[in-house]
Amino acid sequence: DTEVTQTPKHLVMGMTNKKSLKCEQHMGHRAMYWYKQKAKKPPELMFVYSYEKLSINESVPSRFSPECPNSSLLNLHLHALQPEDSALYLCASSQESGGGLEQYFGPGTRLTVT
Amino acid sequence: GESVGLHLPTLSVQEGDNSIINCAYSNSASDYFIWYKQESGKGPQFIIDIRSNMDKRQGQRVTVLLNKTVKHLSLQIAATQPGDSAVYFCAENNAGGTSYGKLTFGQGTILTVHP
Repeated sequence: DTEVTQTPKHLVMGMTNKKSLKCEQHMGHRAMYWYKQKAKKPPELMFVYSYEKLSINESVPSRFSPECPNSSLLNLHLHALQPEDSALYLCASSQESGGGLEQYFGPGTRLTVT
Repeated sequence: GESVGLHLPTLSVQEGDNSIINCAYSNSASDYFIWYKQESGKGPQFIIDIRSNMDKRQGQRVTVLLNKTVKHLSLQIAATQPGDSAVYFCAENNAGGTSYGKLTFGQGTILTVHP
C-alpha cells in the first residue's frame, strides 16, 4: 500500500476561521511533509517531521501550525489565513535512514480563503 | 542559490512517439534526483529516481539520464500514450546528509499527447 490520504478534499474558510487539514499514511514511513502548491507552480516545502519531531520549518507564517500526533498522522492547523494562502496543500511521506528517499504524495486539499 | 529548472515549459507529441523532458540543476552537491507526474486535480505521482553515482536508470517505458558534468537530467518516455499527458516535475534532494528528503522542485513541463 503506497497510499497517502488527505481530508478534506476541498475546504473554504473565512479569514477569521480555524480549521485543520489531516493526512494519514500506513506505510511505516517516519518522515512526513507538508507542501503548498499554487496554480501552475511546483510544490513548495513548508514543514518536515522526522520521527514525529519537527525537523524543518521553511519560514512558514505562524498562522500555519503543524502537528504530528503519531507516526501515521500529520495535521496542519489553520488560523487567521489570508486570501493569498489559497492553494493546494499536499502531504507526503518517505522512509527514514536505510530506505529510499522517494516521497509519496497524497491527493491534496484544495483550500480557498475568502 | 540552489535551483532546479526546466528548459521547455510545454511539450506536445503524437501518440506512439518518444518524449524527452529536460531539467537543469545548479547544486553540484545534490546526490539524488526524482521525477514526478502530476495529473490535473491530483498529487504528484512518483515515476523514477536516480542517485548521483549512476548516469542512467530504466523503468517501465521510462528512462532517466543524469549528466553530472553539465548538471542535466532528462526523462525519456517510450511510446507515449494519451494517459501520459500531465505536468512533469523534476526534483532535487538537498537534505544535507540527513536521512529524509528535502526536495526542491523544478518549474514543470506540460506534456500533451495527441491521439
